[in-house]
Amino acid sequence: GAVVSQHPSRVICKSGTSVKIECRSLDFQATTMFWYRQFPKKSLMLMATSNEGSKATYEQGVEKDKFLINHASLTLSTLTVTSAHPEDSSFYICSAWRGDTGELFFGEGSRLTVL
Amino acid sequence: KQEVTQIPAALSVPEGENLVLNCSFTDSAIYNLQWFRQDPGKGLTSLLLIQSSQREQTSGRLNASLDKSSGRSTLYIAASQPGDSATYLCAVRGNDMRFGAGTRLTVKP
Repeated sequence: GAVVSQHPSRVICKSGTSVKIECRSLDFQATTMFWYRQFPKKSLMLMATSNEGSKATYEQGVEKDKFLINHASLTLSTLTVTSAHPEDSSFYICSAWRGDTGELFFGEGSRLTVL
Repeated sequence: KQEVTQIPAALSVPEGENLVLNCSFTDSAIYNLQWFRQDPGKGLTSLLLIQSSQREQTSGRLNASLDKSSGRSTLYIAASQPGDSATYLCAVRGNDMRFGAGTRLTVKP
């Protein structure tokens, strides 16, 4: 099946710093990618929809200036958590839509811990 | 706004049993429905994708059905194994993508 690579898988940072997470579709072009946040034993919470070459669409309640999303190419979207705080600690997952089949593929997730 | 519900929230069965996971959605105007598996601390793995024009899809011991008019999908797992233990999520694609809260499956040896 199609592969979506997410990096880093784990990151620990100090409060106040910024962290960038990358999401790459390795064998297909993805005009649309999604970013999610997942709390322990909870389902996915959609944060934003990332469209190549345009601004991301954020879900209600998600701070645009805190969670910067860039989708500069058809195979790469990035999520930058700016001025991270301990409450931003979570599991972040990306997914990419394969346009020809309509199937959604997920990255392996990135666990962020803010000290 | 599409709402997706999965029942039961958790299920524990002995190895070898056949089981059914349920997914219901409120808006029948969908493009497709996808079932995923998530292991603890991992991303989601796609299991089956059913297009809106299809009634079912099969892969190995898994069979997913779709009844768009009633807003329901089922995931049937035959001869369950301990390795099937995971959280199973259904996702419905309409104007956006909505996920159910998942069913946490435990298959006991």
